[in-house]
Amino acid sequence: QKEVEQNSGPLSVPEGAIASLNCTYSDRGSQSFFWYRQYSGKSPELIMFIYSNGDKEDGRFTAQLNKASQYVSLLIRDSQPSDSATYLCAIKTSYDKVIFGPGTSLSVIP
Amino acid sequence: EPEVTQTPSHQVTQMGQEVILRCVPISNHLYFYWYRQILGQKVEFLVSFYNNEISEKSEIFDDQFSVERPDGSNFTLKIRSTKLEDSAMYFCASRITSYNEQFFGPGTRLTVL
Repeated sequence: QKEVEQNSGPLSVPEGAIASLNCTYSDRGSQSFFWYRQYSGKSPELIMFIYSNGDKEDGRFTAQLNKASQYVSLLIRDSQPSDSATYLCAIKTSYDKVIFGPGTSLSVIP
Repeated sequence: EPEVTQTPSHQVTQMGQEVILRCVPISNHLYFYWYRQILGQKVEFLVSFYNNEISEKSEIFDDQFSVERPDGSNFTLKIRSTKLEDSAMYFCASRITSYNEQFFGPGTRLTVL
């Protein structure tokens, strides 16, 4: 069973719309959950992290965590063309190890 | 703003040669990591390092790999005898505690010929 799964996309949304990115994970002992953005040829850039069930908002971004369902999501409101990138879900497991999902490619169409 | 730095940005080597990739983590960070990303694939965890020893490593991190913190600032990844399949982008990351977010360096692109 894959440890972290994401829809590979590409996900296309029009400028100004809400983009919804989803991630599921297999390790119930996972403690911390991260969303990174990666532009082609660049290193991952942290967008948000969440530890507790529920929602966490930061500007246009909202992370949602449901540990019972082993599900974490990222909503991007008012999507901009500059948001076009690959979004990586990452999970810190019960050990000091962070597992990344394969990423979802997002394209925001002007 | 403090950042993780990595050198070189691009390393080309012949198969079978040893390479050392260098990282300078953020100065007050205590936890250090190496990841790799083969072109078009996902970011893969290699190793975590704390208090001068490895805390966790993946199946990829076999006897050909080693890490070291030779002084108070550098964190290195050594590949003893490179293979073609070691060609990838290697990212260093660091964090203050094991529960905070980690920050990535810009990466070293390793090309094995």
